[in-house]
Amino acid sequence: EPEVTQTPSHQVTQMGQEVILRCVPISNHLYFYWYRQILGQKVEFLVSFYNNEISEKSEIFDDQFSVERPDGSNFTLKIRSTKLEDSAMYFCASSGWEKLFFGSGTQLSVL
Amino acid sequence: SQQGEEDPQALSIQEGENATMNCSYKTSINNLQWYRQNSGRGLVHLILIRSNEREKHSGRLRVTLDTSKKSSSLLITASRAADTASYFCATDAGFGNEKLTFGTGTRLTIIP
Repeated sequence: EPEVTQTPSHQVTQMGQEVILRCVPISNHLYFYWYRQILGQKVEFLVSFYNNEISEKSEIFDDQFSVERPDGSNFTLKIRSTKLEDSAMYFCASSGWEKLFFGSGTQLSVL
Repeated sequence: SQQGEEDPQALSIQEGENATMNCSYKTSINNLQWYRQNSGRGLVHLILIRSNEREKHSGRLRVTLDTSKKSSSLLITASRAADTASYFCATDAGFGNEKLTFGTGTRLTIIP
């Protein structure tokens, strides 16, 4: 069964550093998403991406965040200057229609 | 309450029993979905019910939706140890492929 893959599975970084989280969505999907989950809290929407542009973003997705689909397969989330409160599990998801397929996540720890 | 709240927050039952989890939401929806999350893992889609549907089945899963009460329930019959996980409802207010708004989740533990 096709799956969404995310790398790395764990990322530790110093506050103020830039991080790039990588995702390979399911190949024939057209809609891509990033969500995050702070430990013990609900899964929160960050951004959706379709047709090479952001279709919707949440209040969390401020100027420090950006997404890119640099080629036909990868979908990346960049955090320019990480803060302590960015520590969370970040999930990539893709969709053909309605049903989302999630990756296993990248656990980001900002020290 | 926030969009998408499940109750109970935690549920422990004996293997073989049925587990029922509830979800309430606040705004109008296009569909409601249930996802499962094993500890430290990603979310797995279980079932989707549209706003014009009242009940849906998939294997041991039964989902109901009451749009007048803005609530849904997920029933897992004949529970197994492998069903131990967190279960989240998620609402889609758009016309497909809009953002999903997740609930707070129910942590289900099946006791062998």
